[in-house]
Amino acid sequence: NAGVTQTPKFQVLKTGQSMTLQCAQDMNHEYMSWYRQDPGMGLRLIHYSVGAGITDQGEVPNGYNVSRSTTEDFPLRLLSAAPSQTSVYFCASRRGSGGQETQYFGPGTRLLVL
Amino acid sequence: AQKITQTQPGMFVQEKEAVTLDCTYDTSDPSYGLFWYKQPSSGEMIFLIYQGSYDQQNATEGRYSLNFQKARKSANLVISASQLGDSAMYFCAMREAQTGANNLFFGTGTRLTVIP
Repeated sequence: NAGVTQTPKFQVLKTGQSMTLQCAQDMNHEYMSWYRQDPGMGLRLIHYSVGAGITDQGEVPNGYNVSRSTTEDFPLRLLSAAPSQTSVYFCASRRGSGGQETQYFGPGTRLLVL
Repeated sequence: AQKITQTQPGMFVQEKEAVTLDCTYDTSDPSYGLFWYKQPSSGEMIFLIYQGSYDQQNATEGRYSLNFQKARKSANLVISASQLGDSAMYFCAMREAQTGANNLFFGTGTRLTVIP
């Protein structure tokens, strides 16, 4: 049981390039989400999904796209990278909608946009 | 308005002593959950403890306890018998039942340093 996995661990992009951050979980969790963490700040929600085929925007969705074709995978796409997207990205999952459900985080992807 | 406020950017504690990390929250939703996460220098987010708004007792998990004062809207984390491995960033977070089932609001964190 690997939990939540993310690839790559590190990435350097040039402004305007596109890329996909991968996220997978093997816990059969319904809910998956993407957060970004900037220096001196907590995590902020980018996009989330409540099940395969269902996604919605979070607090800071601009510049990112997501899709959820399977329960296991929830990739995050940067359409045209900007220096403001330099951040650490965390994928997370949880089992259901209950307020007490623990959210499990992946190890993070460090992204630098030049 | 900030939903989660952590006013202590950094804290120091002597090894084996107890330490309290402050967290206040702002919500009008009667149903919410409060979480604490630890982020060591390696970067991963580790779940520590959960408190529900309707829970009558303060949550405890090993050396971690949550001092939940609902009227004051505070949810302070207490770490007893601090260990060197407790040195890390600590984040308080809240999930509201009404405003998006999956949105976890985070504070800015407190960096705890345990001194030998």
